[in-house]
Amino acid sequence: DAGVIQSPRHEVTEMGQEVTLRCKPISGHNSLFWYRQTMMRGLELLIYFNNNVPIDDSGMPEDRFSAKMPNASFSTLKIQPSEPRDSAVYFCASSLPYNEQFFGPGTRLTVL
Amino acid sequence: DQQVKQNSPSLSVQEGRISILNCDYTNSMFDYFLWYKKYPAEGPTFLISISSIKDKNEDGRFTVFLNKSAKHLSLHIVPSQPGDSAVYFCAASDGGSNYKLTFGKGTLLTVNP
Repeated sequence: DAGVIQSPRHEVTEMGQEVTLRCKPISGHNSLFWYRQTMMRGLELLIYFNNNVPIDDSGMPEDRFSAKMPNASFSTLKIQPSEPRDSAVYFCASSLPYNEQFFGPGTRLTVL
Repeated sequence: DQQVKQNSPSLSVQEGRISILNCDYTNSMFDYFLWYKKYPAEGPTFLISISSIKDKNEDGRFTVFLNKSAKHLSLHIVPSQPGDSAVYFCAASDGGSNYKLTFGKGTLLTVNP
């Protein structure tokens, strides 16, 4: 039984480049969440989707960040252009209605 | 404005003893609380939760206590084991656990053999 799958696990890029993080939620889960973890701010919710529709994107830091969920089994978080302050671990999580969220292993992003 | 606070960045206990991790919150609209455990290089994993209509929930060695008047919850681990060494996050929701979670910054628990 596969959990939440994220790719890549590690990404190193240069400032100004586009970065795309990918997530495959657990089959059957209808909610998907993107989080960012930094030392300063801890775990922050960036955006969440319910039935593939973005419900709350108030946590997205700025217009450089965008997220899509084209179908129930795939979501992307894109940063364009990337900046060094975007360096963090990005987690994707999924859940059934009114159940706990299951997290993926995260993508460690380093922007040089 | 940190709505969920874990004031102890770290805690060290001896194997077999009780570990008590604390969490305070400020938003009175929070009605569901969860604890997650996180090992290095892994995502957080769900441990235990409690609804605001209860004041205690127990699952094996893990018990969560909720004091709504004090806006305080705690996680008790008895007995503590070396494998419990991890970062523990407290999280809260104001719309059921399907909605967005607000996390504390975590407490690193070290259980010494």
